Amino acid sequence: GIQVEQSPPDLILQEGANSTLRCNFSDSVNNLQWFHQNPWGQLINLFYIPSGTKQNGRLSATTVATERYSLLYISSSQTTDSGVYFCAVALSSNTGKLIFGQGTTLQVKP
Amino acid sequence: DVKVTQSSRYLVKRTGEKVFLECVQDMDHENMFWYRQDPGLGLRLIYFSYDVKMKEKGDIPEGYSVSREKKERFSLILESASTNQTSMYLCASRRTRQGAGGYTFGSGTRLTVV
Repeated sequence: GIQVEQSPPDLILQEGANSTLRCNFSDSVNNLQWFHQNPWGQLINLFYIPSGTKQNGRLSATTVATERYSLLYISSSQTTDSGVYFCAVALSSNTGKLIFGQGTTLQVKP
Repeated sequence: DVKVTQSSRYLVKRTGEKVFLECVQDMDHENMFWYRQDPGLGLRLIYFSYDVKMKEKGDIPEGYSVSREKKERFSLILESASTNQTSMYLCASRRTRQGAGGYTFGSGTRLTVV
């Protein structure tokens, strides 16, 4: 089956620093999303980005579908950015099953 | 914004009880999903549904069943709860019509079986 690999697994930043999270996937996809899991466990949708680039405030994401990777950029990080970031994909030939990477755990220190 | 509501944030049940986890979405989405999340195992798909009265097994359906009698509601049923079903349960929905976007998740239910 499709492999979804996220890197790095863990990241510690000082408040104000920038970071890049990466997601590699092993097959063609028709859905790619980035989620942030908050301390209460809810998965918050950050971006729906099967291709191209999007920006939302301090966050932006780029997916290069032909090269099978996506990047999530966090600029001027804040302590509230802490948590686990997941990349998830659904296959082009699939009827909708979302497959998750193992996540990147981000800790932003004040 | 699409809202996916799970009926309980925290739930404690006894071994052998029949447990119902409810999920409701308010945007007429065709697809609905149940995942569980466990440390070290990530998110795993239990069941999903394409439409009313339709259901498909995910990766770990054993010990679970589902019901989708109405489009907006997708219920996960633990027929006889066991301690290994202690987990975080997450419901999601997705539209499949032209121009569909991504998945929206509910806030999760932390189930403890004692």
